[in-house]
Amino acid sequence: KQEVTQIPAALSVPEGENLVLNCSFTDSAIYNLQWFRQDPGKGLTSLLLIQSSQREQTSGRLNASLDKSSGRSTLYIAASQPGDSATYLCAAGGDSGYALNFGKGTSLLVTP
Amino acid sequence: GAGVSQSPRYKVAKRGQDVALRCDPISGHVSLFWYQQALGQGPEFLTYFQNEAQLDKSGLPSDRFFAERPEGSVSTLKIQRTQQEDSAVYLCASSMLAGVLYEQYFGPGTRLTVT
Repeated sequence: KQEVTQIPAALSVPEGENLVLNCSFTDSAIYNLQWFRQDPGKGLTSLLLIQSSQREQTSGRLNASLDKSSGRSTLYIAASQPGDSATYLCAAGGDSGYALNFGKGTSLLVTP
Repeated sequence: GAGVSQSPRYKVAKRGQDVALRCDPISGHVSLFWYQQALGQGPEFLTYFQNEAQLDKSGLPSDRFFAERPEGSVSTLKIQRTQQEDSAVYLCASSMLAGVLYEQYFGPGTRLTVT
């Protein structure tokens, strides 16, 4: 079964810093890797979707990379803002049926 | 609305009661997924529908869990004889096309508490 691990589990940074969230997965036979944001008591908001043939995706201050061979993905957040405070989840898709396999998330706090 | 909606948002059930959770996907979306999220964990896959066909129910934890999508739009997740370990947030997601290749859009979830 696909195991998805996210490091660190929690992160606190001052406003304005650039930061990197890490995601690793055990089975490289994935179709895609998706990053989500989850605010307390809310559902998941999709941030970026990287197909297996792609190396990275960018949206505004966010950049996600994918290295299938090493089983790793990173989410880079530039110039962090307090509004970025949330839990960030990565999910690997397509290696096992129709499931997205999620990590436990990284809880991010950006302080003013 | 344009997004995925779920109802109720919160449900408290006594152990042994049956519950039904509803999901309204984005109009026209072919795929519908149900996930279970325990406190402090990532979501765990429960089941997948392509239109009205349930193609994968490998994640349903027991035969007390049943899902349907009879007309290929609204879906209901039913839990019979609820147990305390069923307490979790139940998330529904939809995507435009079939399979897992495409972006999934999630609803706000239903928080189920079994007392």
